[in-house]
Amino acid sequence: AQTVTQSQPEMSVQEAETVTLSCTYDTSESDYYLFWYKQPPSRQMILVIRQEAYKQQNATENRFSVNFQKAAKSFSLKISDSQLGDAAMYFCAYRSGETVYQLIWGAGTKLIIKP
Amino acid sequence: AAGVIQSPRHLIKEKRETATLKCYPIPRHDTVYWYQQGPGQDPQFLISFYEKMQSDKGSIPDRFSAQQFSDYHSELNMSSLELGDSALYFCASSLGEVGGPPYEQYFGPGTRLTVT
Repeated sequence: AQTVTQSQPEMSVQEAETVTLSCTYDTSESDYYLFWYKQPPSRQMILVIRQEAYKQQNATENRFSVNFQKAAKSFSLKISDSQLGDAAMYFCAYRSGETVYQLIWGAGTKLIIKP
Repeated sequence: AAGVIQSPRHLIKEKRETATLKCYPIPRHDTVYWYQQGPGQDPQFLISFYEKMQSDKGSIPDRFSAQQFSDYHSELNMSSLELGDSALYFCASSLGEVGGPPYEQYFGPGTRLTVT
């Protein structure tokens, strides 16, 4: 079975600085997708970024980018120029491309932005 | 752009009562997922539907049932409610599940269920 691990329960960063959130996963599949979701205090679940396992190029969305290391099964999220609005819980999620399509979630990392 | 709609947004029920949560997916989306998120926890997958058929089942209690209707909206029926059912229930929708690329799941705002 696939698992997702986020080892940082909480991270803090100064506004305008860069922070990296860690995520590792375990799978025997070769076809899969990885996501980062953001959950602010409103508890709305917002998709931040997506990475296809077959793509070597790291995904980027404005200030958000990932470092996808397939062999190491690592999928970290880098947030550049952190803003107060980035404060939220960040969840890493795995989705199979071969079998079932439910999202498998990490435990989440609470990101605190210091003004 | 249209988003996933969930109703009600908040629901308070007593133990042993029943509750029905509704989810209206993004137009053209044919796949619906239900997740349960307890306080301070990550979401737990309950059940999903593709083209009105159940496509996957997770940790959904036998007291719960769900279905997807002809207009693709979905309802989660919860009976004999317990205190432990208090949680945020998310519905997510996506376009296509079988035979095509796995599109992203877009989440609704959730229904906050409180069982007293």
